[in-house]
Amino acid sequence: GAVVSQHPSWVICKSGTSVKIECRSLDFQATTMFWYRQFPKQSLMLMATSNEGSKATYEQGVEKDKFLINHASLTLSTLTVTSAHPEDSSFYICSARKGSDTQYFGPGTRLTVL
Amino acid sequence: RKEVEQDPGPFNVPEGATVAFNCTYSNSASQSFFWYRQDCRKEPKLLMSVYSSGNEDGRFTAQLNRASQYISLLIRDSKLSDSATYLCVVNVSGKSTFGDGTTLTVKP
Repeated sequence: GAVVSQHPSWVICKSGTSVKIECRSLDFQATTMFWYRQFPKQSLMLMATSNEGSKATYEQGVEKDKFLINHASLTLSTLTVTSAHPEDSSFYICSARKGSDTQYFGPGTRLTVL
Repeated sequence: RKEVEQDPGPFNVPEGATVAFNCTYSNSASQSFFWYRQDCRKEPKLLMSVYSSGNEDGRFTAQLNRASQYISLLIRDSKLSDSATYLCVVNVSGKSTFGDGTTLTVKP
């Protein structure tokens, strides 16, 4: 297997603030990382694909100016939720791809916006 | 129609039972296939890849039928610890699409 970490594991913030979530591949280099969002009792929805050294590719319906992604190195991608609102409360999960297509997931970040 | 569809579940089975989950996908260009399990409020964890020849890992057997665009997961001798949501994942050009998951509860 492979290890992917996420930080923080949970965060509570006030409406209007920005929250940064980090995703790290600890024992391998990942040129591609993915950010997902999961609402209760729903499946994971891909938000964006993060490529090291280039701009992220966002899925349809995901606002790139609201969900800022930076993949500055082969082991770190960050997702910043800007001006968070209660409807952004969700479970955010990153994954890193090792090899051709196996993904390893971080433990997730539970965001609650008050 | 969803790109990846799974049995809606939930499946409630006694310990020791054999249970099978099915998954269909719509994109014939799909290249690779996986089963993940997700425990409540946790991240998905890779259970196994799925190959055309079928593959087995202990009590778990996965099958792929490309002609019918169908994959399956069979769990034999269910344990209490198998209780989880099982996600079918289909990859096309490196992009993964997840099914909605099938919830399994194994009871004593």
